[in-house]
Amino acid sequence: DTAVSQTPKYLVTQMGNDKSIKCEQNLGHDTMYWYKQDSKKFLKIMFSYNNKELIINETVPNRFSPKSPDKAHLNLHINSLELGDSAVYFCASRALGGETQYFGPGTRLLVL
Amino acid sequence: AQSVTQLDSHVSVSEGTPVLLRCNYSSSYSPSLFWYVQHPNKGLQLLLKYTSAATLVKGINGFEAEFKKSETSFHLTKPSAHMSDAAEYFCVVQGSARQLTFGSGTQLTVLP
Repeated sequence: DTAVSQTPKYLVTQMGNDKSIKCEQNLGHDTMYWYKQDSKKFLKIMFSYNNKELIINETVPNRFSPKSPDKAHLNLHINSLELGDSAVYFCASRALGGETQYFGPGTRLLVL
Repeated sequence: AQSVTQLDSHVSVSEGTPVLLRCNYSSSYSPSLFWYVQHPNKGLQLLLKYTSAATLVKGINGFEAEFKKSETSFHLTKPSAHMSDAAEYFCVVQGSARQLTFGSGTQLTVLP
């Protein structure tokens, strides 16, 4: 029943490692997003994909690479993790022409 | 470009008393505005949205917000706070490319 799901829910890893976060939506939406929420709760958009094509790419280090194998999935791969990457990452989706974004539960990433 | 300012980082109310969370926005066109709520260690849930229809918008859990163009405000209110309302609240404006810009959040504490 989950509309937007993310895995894993928690991720603890060492600096320098490469990790991926997966996002899936079963709402039939065309557009998906990744947001980063820092330790002060501030949320900022990172990427937006529409039908597997990159639409928005905010100022994000190129160590972050989103991949959309199909329009229901938008995964986030992070290379050479740094301490500053510790945050909560939220995936969201929106229907074509719709106003509302639906958010996943978040992935809490801690880099040690 | 659009921006949103949440005027209070923390609000404390007693249970049963009214809630007012303030939000001002800046946008070069008629914006869509949202309030999202985030309970501790949880994801983001949509409370309500304004999309150029009625200026007084009713949301879930008894919350409502009024869009005031002359004041560029979209304050969130509830007549009577409940303990379960304690959470972080985000005022959000939607940009022309449909990306969301979040306010810095207001932490609502409800005292018994």
